[in-house]
Amino acid sequence: DTEVTQTPKHLVMGMTNKKSLKCEQHMGHRAMYWYKQKAKKPPELMFVYSYEKLSINESVPSRFSPECPNSSLLNLHLHALQPEDSALYLCASSQGTGDGYTFGSGTRLTVV
Amino acid sequence: GENVEQHPSTLSVQEGDSAVIKCTYSDSASNYFPWYKQELGKRPQLIIDIRSNVGEKKDQRIAVTLNKTAKHFSLHITETQPEDSAVYFCAPHPPNTGKLIFGQGTTLQVKP
Repeated sequence: DTEVTQTPKHLVMGMTNKKSLKCEQHMGHRAMYWYKQKAKKPPELMFVYSYEKLSINESVPSRFSPECPNSSLLNLHLHALQPEDSALYLCASSQGTGDGYTFGSGTRLTVV
Repeated sequence: GENVEQHPSTLSVQEGDSAVIKCTYSDSASNYFPWYKQELGKRPQLIIDIRSNVGEKKDQRIAVTLNKTAKHFSLHITETQPEDSAVYFCAPHPPNTGKLIFGQGTTLQVKP
């Protein structure tokens, strides 16, 4: 298995909703990442997990809460989001933090 | 932190021509230099990478060259085809951080 699987592919949520994005990989990668991408912009780093521990939080607002339940799974919990949080959320993984990434297909999030 | 600049921001070539995209970075400790391709509506995909102990790497029609002294690396695509049309991102890696910062992207259009 050489893929990173993200669910759901699309999500529409209200500003008072709570939802979660899920990411899964079975390549034995020890580093996992969340990125946010707006249209016509590069991906922006949000969080880095290394060996299931949060190693980098790029000053992301607390309405985004990451979780790494085990070495194959990464979640992003969403609560009280704003319309400007609408974007493509990409999960990625790599063998180590100095290696190339494999990206998932992303979750296209719309906040209404 | 790492400052990354990519040039040009857009590039239009005729099918069969060559294309070159340059990435300049600021952190002299960076030691891994990947290029990602993102087609419209799809995930970024790693297409070629190079480590700091190598000056050039080729994979069929694509190549990456590295000048560590000048702190830049370039993507070369020969015999371009319409399916090469995409946004290309460089993402130089400082060591042991997992903090991958993408360049602003180059939109390549290959005209048949």
